[in-house]
Amino acid sequence: GAVVSQHPSRVICKSGTSVKIECRSLDFQATTMFWYRQFPKQSLMLMATSNEGSKATYEQGVEKDKFLINHASLTLSTLTVTSAHPEDSSFYICSRGLGAGSDTQYFGPGTRLTVL
Amino acid sequence: GENVEQHPSTLSVQEGDSAVIKCTYSDSASNYFPWYKQELGKRPQLIIDIRSNVGEKKDQRIAVTLNKTAKHFSLHITETQPEDSAVYFCAARESGGGADGLTFGKGTHLIIQP
Repeated sequence: GAVVSQHPSRVICKSGTSVKIECRSLDFQATTMFWYRQFPKQSLMLMATSNEGSKATYEQGVEKDKFLINHASLTLSTLTVTSAHPEDSSFYICSRGLGAGSDTQYFGPGTRLTVL
Repeated sequence: GENVEQHPSTLSVQEGDSAVIKCTYSDSASNYFPWYKQELGKRPQLIIDIRSNVGEKKDQRIAVTLNKTAKHFSLHITETQPEDSAVYFCAARESGGGADGLTFGKGTHLIIQP
């Protein structure tokens, strides 16, 4: 069964508004989770590593003030797209490792963001 | 950082035939190479993975081979079926233990012709 959930699955918002996406680890506590973005018919691009209790680590070219990540508990990481614009429209997917020392990553179902 | 190249971008094979997708990576420190299958609008699903201390791994109709020296790895699907139609992504990670994210290839759209 699913080990990672995301909410909402789809969101449509107006340009300039902020949108929060939740990623939950369902079966155990995750100190590290990852956020990816996938544009239509393209690959997944790692945006940032979400670290429980500390600041997220952002990939080069990803604006930390634009994409706010909060990992306040061991089962929840949130991504907030601030002042969203049409170019932010994308499929946002989070992932989580299987456990300490494991390489395997499982992905959430993704959130389809459409900014009008 | 890591760079992963994937070929071909589209692959069409007859049902029952084999399909091969190839990837190369740039960072010799990478030691974990998973393959994901993604259907339209769905999450990527892990189908097989390999670590750099292994040259080949097989799971029923799916196999992955790794050439560390040449820095390339391949996915092999035998006896293809219509439900194998999807986009397949290879990926690489620079260090072990799950503390780092994955670098993905651009994906291969596999089409199984009935």
